Amino acid sequence: DAGITQSPRYKITETGRQVTLMCHQTWSHSYMFWYRQDLGHGLRLIYYSAAADITDKGEVPDGYVVSRSKTENFPLTLESATRSQTSVYFCASSEAGGATEAFFGQGTRLTVV
Amino acid sequence: AQKVTQAQTEISVVEKEDVTLDCVYETRDTTYYLFWYKQPPSGELVFLIRRNSFDEQNEISGRYSWNFQKSTSSFNFTITASQVVDSAVYFCARFTYGGSQGNLIFGKGTKLSVKP
Repeated sequence: DAGITQSPRYKITETGRQVTLMCHQTWSHSYMFWYRQDLGHGLRLIYYSAAADITDKGEVPDGYVVSRSKTENFPLTLESATRSQTSVYFCASSEAGGATEAFFGQGTRLTVV
Repeated sequence: AQKVTQAQTEISVVEKEDVTLDCVYETRDTTYYLFWYKQPPSGELVFLIRRNSFDEQNEISGRYSWNFQKSTSSFNFTITASQVVDSAVYFCARFTYGGSQGNLIFGKGTKLSVKP
């Protein structure tokens, strides 16, 4: 099916563990984004990518790593999870940056215990 | 950091009232794009409208209307004759091409509750 999908939808992990959230889009959109959503903070940009092999930091990048070896995939890795990284994570893609709208995945609810 | 500010955290109205959601953005760029998204209680993010910085023409779409004013850096959203189904969190966002790349920054959102 065409679209943008995130996996897993729900994840519980322990403090200190590495965890990777997956994001896959089937449109070959150039731009991809990762956000975290927390009460009182709205959506905060973690990392974004303008094309394969091009990534850059957003507003809250500390503790996260991304890669984009293929246009369609944009995984987000928490290298050593902390409780403050408990959040809902959204991935998005856009064909032409701001010239077109961004489409969002369903979100991943991550709990760090 | 160039911010997007939604000063209204929560708004509660009674059905059929009109309601305006405020958005003020910061940018040093001449080319940028503005968006409104809706997040209903089910959690997905739904695109509502996009505007580029060169198009200040205001738009009406059914019960929705948008007022873009570059002079005040505002991009406000009005729902006319609100309905219970309009209850959601509404996000304003701004995209700029920063250097060789671009970023899409959101405001903190306004939670709209429409009561019957």
